[in-house]
Amino acid sequence: GIQVEQSPPDLILQEGANSTLRCNFSDSVNNLQWFHQNPWGQLINLFYIPSGTKQNGRLSATTVATERYSLLYISSSQTTDSGVYFCADGSGNTGKLIFGQGTTLQVKP
Amino acid sequence: DAGITQSPRHKVTETGTPVTLRCHQTENHRYMYWYRQDPGHGLRLIHYSYGVKDTDKGEVSDGYSVSRSKTEDFLLTLESATSSQTSVYFCAIRKNKDNEQFFGPGTRLTVL
Repeated sequence: GIQVEQSPPDLILQEGANSTLRCNFSDSVNNLQWFHQNPWGQLINLFYIPSGTKQNGRLSATTVATERYSLLYISSSQTTDSGVYFCADGSGNTGKLIFGQGTTLQVKP
Repeated sequence: DAGITQSPRHKVTETGTPVTLRCHQTENHRYMYWYRQDPGHGLRLIHYSYGVKDTDKGEVSDGYSVSRSKTEDFLLTLESATSSQTSVYFCAIRKNKDNEQFFGPGTRLTVL
C-alpha cells in the first residue's frame, strides 16, 4: 500500500517564525488532508487538498499530485500552533486514510 | 464541530475483560471509521463501515469486532482486552463524496 513520509519529524521555532512541513507519498495522491493534533489530543482538520493551493489565515498548503508531495506553510507562528501535524491520504472507494508519522512542532514564546 | 461523540472518553480495564467503545454521529453519514493511535505508529485503521450492517476490516483488525445496527452508531468491541490494546481510539466520519474525514474527540483506553 501507499507509504506516507513526513519531514521533519520534530521542529522547534520561536514565536513569529515561519516554517514548512513536507509530506511525500509513494504512490499517486487521491484525497490528501492535513490535520493538527493539539496538546489535548484533538484532531483538527486544516486542509482537504488533493491538488493545488489553499490558504486559511496564517496557514497555507500546496499539493503537487504529479510529483507526489504536499507542503504545509505556517507563517508568523504562535504558541497555539504547537502540537503534531499529520498528513493523510485516502485510498480507493472506501476512503481509508493512511497517515504519516507526523511532525511535532513546538513554538516557544 | 462535526457532530461526532465518543464514549467513554477514558477507560481503565483489566486484561481479559470485554470492552465496547461507542461512536455516535448526528448527521447520518454513510461511512464511519475506527482508528487507533500509538506512539511511533501514527493513526492506523481498525475497521470501517459503509452502511448499516456493512463493515470491513482495516490494517490492524485482529482482536477487534464492530457493529453498526443504526446509521448514527458504530460500536468497537474488544472481546478480551489485552495490554497491547492500550491506545487512544478515534472514530471518524466521511462527510462527502470527496472523502474528507472528520474525527471524534477520542477514547483513551488503558488495559492493565
